[in-house]
Amino acid sequence: QVQVVESGGGVVQPGTSLRLSCAASGFTFRSYGFYWVRQAPGKGLEWVTVIWNDGIRKYYVDSVKGRFTVSRDISKNTIYLQMNSLRVEDTAVYFCARAGPRNALDIWGQGTMVSVSS
Amino acid sequence: EIVLTQSPGTLSLSPGERATLSCRATQSVSSTYLAWYQQKPGQAPRLLIYDASSRATGIPDRFSGSGSGTDFTLTISRLEPEDFAVYYCQQYTSSLEVVTFGPGTKVDV
Repeated sequence: QVQVVESGGGVVQPGTSLRLSCAASGFTFRSYGFYWVRQAPGKGLEWVTVIWNDGIRKYYVDSVKGRFTVSRDISKNTIYLQMNSLRVEDTAVYFCARAGPRNALDIWGQGTMVSVSS
Repeated sequence: EIVLTQSPGTLSLSPGERATLSCRATQSVSSTYLAWYQQKPGQAPRLLIYDASSRATGIPDRFSGSGSGTDFTLTISRLEPEDFAVYYCQQYTSSLEVVTFGPGTKVDV
């Protein structure tokens, strides 16, 4: 079964760190790029970052540059999102998604909630 | 920076009716990198259309996409009860350096 499953969300204080994981299965992990997309409560979708299938090219939305880092572990078929210096405005459900046809997001996880609050 | 605008914000229709959703970009967008997603409450989004007009795997043919340049359209030919949801358009550059979602159109009864 082709799927991605996120984990690692939680409630944290501003200024702290959190690492999200996205475990992929059912397809050849190294052949695909992956996105992280977030959705604040009651709001629309916001792209956060993408990592290409080469594992080298990585891009971020301006609001997280210098604070968030995306990486992958091919041996574990897992994508990570290291989030440092978290802010209240980072509160959202974070979705992991595979870059499919024409790099559209074709396989999505169920999301993991990150709540940043003092 | 390309900004996507979707209209209308909410579309109130009944099952069996035709839905026409608009996505407009502030600059010309490559059709290759224009996609549409459906999201139901409490669920992850689902890819409907990529390449502006190609249906994703398993998507019924009542969903169709069209457009080019700055104006794109998602059409649902006959609404089924399960089609009432929020729809997002998305554009991205070939390098994926910039990825943008529109604000969404809610299709409700």
